[in-house]
Amino acid sequence: SQTIHQWPATLVQPVGSPLSLECTVEGTSNPNLYWYRQAAGRGLQLLFYSVGIGQISSEVPQNLSASRPQDRQFILSSKKLLLSDSGFYLCAWGGFLAGEQFFGPGTRLTVL
Amino acid sequence: GENVEQHPSTLSVQEGDSAVIKCTYSDSASNYFPWYKQELGKRPQLIIDIRSNVGEKKDQRIAVTLNKTAKHFSLHITETQPEDSAVYFCAASKGTGNQFYFGTGTSLTVIP
Repeated sequence: SQTIHQWPATLVQPVGSPLSLECTVEGTSNPNLYWYRQAAGRGLQLLFYSVGIGQISSEVPQNLSASRPQDRQFILSSKKLLLSDSGFYLCAWGGFLAGEQFFGPGTRLTVL
Repeated sequence: GENVEQHPSTLSVQEGDSAVIKCTYSDSASNYFPWYKQELGKRPQLIIDIRSNVGEKKDQRIAVTLNKTAKHFSLHITETQPEDSAVYFCAASKGTGNQFYFGTGTSLTVIP
């Protein structure tokens, strides 16, 4: 069966510091991968999605970037965090039956 | 692009009563409609989905209906229990490999 991992689970970072969040998927090949952000009490905002290694599409221009160095690895980065980057970051992978998406456990980021 | 609207934003029901959450979508090419349940501090979990070639789908106490002509779909929860309390999100997609467009969420509270 497929499993999706994210780390770290929680993170507290100062404004202006860099960021690296990692997501890996097990049990499937060439998945579609997605990064979402959820502000406190809000909905799901799609940040990036990837259909293959090195292929990244950005939905929202901002100070975040994403990379997919391996088939089942998706990384979210920032060179300088802003207060507004605080939130719950969710990675998801896309199924192949009907296009389902399954979410990882998330990383709760607080920028101070 | 696709626009998904979800109502109501909050819903309180007595334990044992039914709850209904409604979503509308704008793009007639959308053909996959999942529903997610998100408990406080946790990841969204897929609870039921429906494809455009089906009008209704049931899974125990939950059901989803789809009206393609009117471009709306609904989640029905019968015999609600306190553990049904959560935020529910609807989404629309054009299927495998395509991104999801999420509704803004409904916070359901089941009062014991």
